Amino acid sequence: DSGVTQTPKHLITATGQRVTLRCSPRSGDLSVYWYQQSLDQGLQFLIQYYNGEERAKGNILERFSAQQFPDLHSELNLSSLELGDSALYFCASSETVEGNTIYFGEGSWLTVV
Amino acid sequence: GENVEQHPSTLSVQEGDSAVIKCTYSDSASNYFPWYKQELGKRPQLIIDIRSNVGEKKDQRIAVTLNKTAKHFSLHITETQPEDSAVYFCAASKENYGQNFVFGPGTRLSVLP
Repeated sequence: DSGVTQTPKHLITATGQRVTLRCSPRSGDLSVYWYQQSLDQGLQFLIQYYNGEERAKGNILERFSAQQFPDLHSELNLSSLELGDSALYFCASSETVEGNTIYFGEGSWLTVV
Repeated sequence: GENVEQHPSTLSVQEGDSAVIKCTYSDSASNYFPWYKQELGKRPQLIIDIRSNVGEKKDQRIAVTLNKTAKHFSLHITETQPEDSAVYFCAASKENYGQNFVFGPGTRLSVLP
């Protein structure tokens, strides 16, 4: 158990809908990362937050947004969903914005039908 | 930005043999290089990491080497076992620079009994 908690574990929704994925980082970790992994694909970096502020942005679509709350949990919002958004979405956390190891949660499986 | 390449994409070895996976990175400022193992449908888990002030690090059957001049690093697994079968991801990151992990595309390792 990495200590990073993600909910829901599985989610099936229809095209055009909106979903929210939730992540609680490890206790004491201030930095949260979101990654997308499509079937048999690599880990695509979406976005990073540190202590409530956006720190780095990767290949995140405009239909997607995220935020980190004062209690340090983070949410990834995916809207106007398309079939191609079906993927495993990982949250990861690390102690600082500067680095150290990042630890992944179990992921949220999103299926868009 | 940083770009990480990883080879080979697939690797099959006989149980007991060694496996080597190589990664190259583009940003000479990168200074932290972790390796993650991901079993099917599960989260990536850190197996070993190395920082740029070290040329080699070993942990039991796993070792990582780093060549800063050539900007490449390698994962070495000796005496492979069936449970080593998984997808392995390398990553490059710049600690103390608003860290943003960039992952390689992954190597699917199969250890044949």
